[in-house]
Amino acid sequence: QVQLQESGPGLVKPSQTLSLTCTVSGGSISNYYWSWIRQPPGKRLEWIGYIYYTGDTNYNPSLKNRVTISVDTSKTQFSLKLTSVTAADTAVYYCARASGDSTLGFDYWGQGTLVTVSS
Amino acid sequence: DIQMTQSPSSLSASVGDRVTITCRASQSVSRYLNWYQQKPGKAPKLLIYGTSSLLSGVPSRFSGSGSGTDFTLTINSLQPEDFATYYCQQSYNTPWTFGQGTTVEIK
Repeated sequence: QVQLQESGPGLVKPSQTLSLTCTVSGGSISNYYWSWIRQPPGKRLEWIGYIYYTGDTNYNPSLKNRVTISVDTSKTQFSLKLTSVTAADTAVYYCARASGDSTLGFDYWGQGTLVTVSS
Repeated sequence: DIQMTQSPSSLSASVGDRVTITCRASQSVSRYLNWYQQKPGKAPKLLIYGTSSLLSGVPSRFSGSGSGTDFTLTINSLQPEDFATYYCQQSYNTPWTFGQGTTVEIK
């Protein structure tokens, strides 16, 4: 059974960098699109970006040039860095897998981790 | 970006009711439309992908239809565990986008 688990600080100061890691277990990291998705309190889900197992990335333009997603296939992990954070970046952050077999629907998700941006 | 709009935003229903949720895209997404169920404090769960394909293990009372810009999620014979928030999501073009959600509450 594939499992995803987010890890990282739950509190980040304004203007600093938010860093999260997602560890994938129970399955291969190959041939899938690995995404970060966030959900601000009471708001809709927002796709942040994905990395394909080859290292190809695609980011949401709304986050401009603040996002970097990387993958470490040897550790079956992928990571998110979001720079220059503000209170608007406070959200539950999820990692998720998208598969071509499910028309790129997100078929596996981590449990989510709340990141609060505050001084 | 492709905007996804769901209606209604919330509804009240009883166990055994048939429930229909609509999702409209601001431009065609072909059949690249997925539906999720989210319960409070939990991650979303994929129910339906590619407009009408049920993910393995999802009860057959859930069904999806549509194409282009208009899509529907139907829940036949609503069960107590179905009270949740439902989201549509397009995977046709990046940035992949979600609807605002429809909350199904107990009447």
